[in-house]
Amino acid sequence: NAGVTQTPKFRILKIGQSMTLQCTQDMNHNYMYWYRQDPGMGLKLIYYSVGAGITDKGEVPNGYNVSRSTTEDFPLRLELAAPSQTSVYFCASSYISNGGNTEAFFGQGTRLTVV
Amino acid sequence: QKEVEQDPGPLSVPEGAIVSLNCTYSNSAFQYFMWYRQYSRKGPELLMYTYSSGNKEDGRFTAQVDKSSKYISLFIRDSQPSDSATYLCASGNTGGFKTIFGAGTRLFVKA
Repeated sequence: NAGVTQTPKFRILKIGQSMTLQCTQDMNHNYMYWYRQDPGMGLKLIYYSVGAGITDKGEVPNGYNVSRSTTEDFPLRLELAAPSQTSVYFCASSYISNGGNTEAFFGQGTRLTVV
Repeated sequence: QKEVEQDPGPLSVPEGAIVSLNCTYSNSAFQYFMWYRQYSRKGPELLMYTYSSGNKEDGRFTAQVDKSSKYISLFIRDSQPSDSATYLCASGNTGGFKTIFGAGTRLFVKA
């Protein structure tokens, strides 16, 4: 199993450019998440999805958009890149039923620099 | 006040030492407590998972939760250089998406 796969691994964007960070999982997990990790700040939840067609905002959603058309894929869109979006982005997935909480599996991350 | 507080370190110890990593949390509704290990330039991986109060042991690792004081600990016995990583504590209530991560503590184990 590949688990959670993110592409690209690295990207440099100019201010105002747009891009999509791709995330796919092959574990048939219902929940998927996007986090950003800044030095010394832990992981901040950007958006999450509880299943195909359902998404919701996390703690820091401004400047980002998501969609979930299939169980496997959860792309993150940056419309107008700003230097404040320079960060490492992690996609994660988990299987949750009956209100329980289970392990989240993380991708390897995308290092994004906005210049 | 952050919902989960963690000293970012770094913490440097000699090989074989007992390591104690700690977090505090503020939300009384949190029921799930996790420790993730993150190697440099990699995604976090679940190390320990505890529900409610108590201890959980797995090999050289022991996770401890004290809900009365809202204190979470991870102990590493006989620490190895391969344990050098960032350790993130996380807490949440039911639903998964409410998991809150601490800032992470960087640990260096010197051979």
